Amino acid sequence: NAGVTQTPKFQVLKTGQSMTLQCAQDMNHEYMSWYRQDPGMGLRLIHYSVGAGITDQGEVPNGYNVSRSTTEDFPLRLLSAAPSQTSVYFCASSLVGGAGEAFFGQGTRLTVV
Amino acid sequence: AQSVAQPEDQVNVAEGNPLTVKCTYSVSGNPYLFWYVQYPNRGLQFLLKYITGDNLVKGSYGFEAEFNKSQTSFHLKKPSALVSDSALYFCAVRDISGGKLIFGQGTELSVKP
Repeated sequence: NAGVTQTPKFQVLKTGQSMTLQCAQDMNHEYMSWYRQDPGMGLRLIHYSVGAGITDQGEVPNGYNVSRSTTEDFPLRLLSAAPSQTSVYFCASSLVGGAGEAFFGQGTRLTVV
Repeated sequence: AQSVAQPEDQVNVAEGNPLTVKCTYSVSGNPYLFWYVQYPNRGLQFLLKYITGDNLVKGSYGFEAEFNKSQTSFHLKKPSALVSDSALYFCAVRDISGGKLIFGQGTELSVKP
C-alpha cells in the first residue's frame, strides 16, 4: 500500500530553472493538494484539486502551476525557480466531502540557489 | 475565509504531566477539524478529527481533543506526556463544503524526562 508518493525527495535548482514535483496516490482520492512548509509559517496551501480537470488556487499560488489530468497524479510545476521557493513541499490527498483525513507524502526538500 | 491559529510556538512539559496544545479556528458554518503530528524529517501523520457528535474526540497514541463551538477552539490534550511525544503538532480546518484544508503554523512540543 503505497499511499501518497512524492518524487524527488531532494532537489537543488539554479535560479531561473524549471522543474516538476511529482505526486501520485493509489487510494482513489478525489481531493489532492500541495503545501509548502517553512519555519514558523506552518503549512501553506499552494494549489488544490477536487477531481480530474479541476484545480484551484490556495494561499500562496504565485510561481507555481498545477494540472490534474488523472485522479492519481497531481504534479506541481515551477516555471522559473526563485530562492524564495526554497522550502519543503508536501503533497496530500483525501476523499472529497471534507470529513476524511488527508494522507501526506514524505515531502520534497527543494533548494534554489 | 478559513483560518487556524495556534497561539503557542512551543510547549514544554515534563514527562508524566498532562499536556495541552491550543488551537482556535475561523470558518463559515460548521467545521471539520483535524490534528496532525510531524516527527523530524517526516511527513504529517493524522492523529484525530472532529466531524460531529461528541465534543471530546479520542485519537491515536492516547491523544484526545475537545471541540468548543462557542470558543471556536479545538485543543489537543493528553493526560500523561511521554518523551516520545516530542514533535511538531498541526491543527487544521476544512469547511463542510469539502474544500481546501487549512493548517495552523504548528506548535513544537518538547517533553523532558
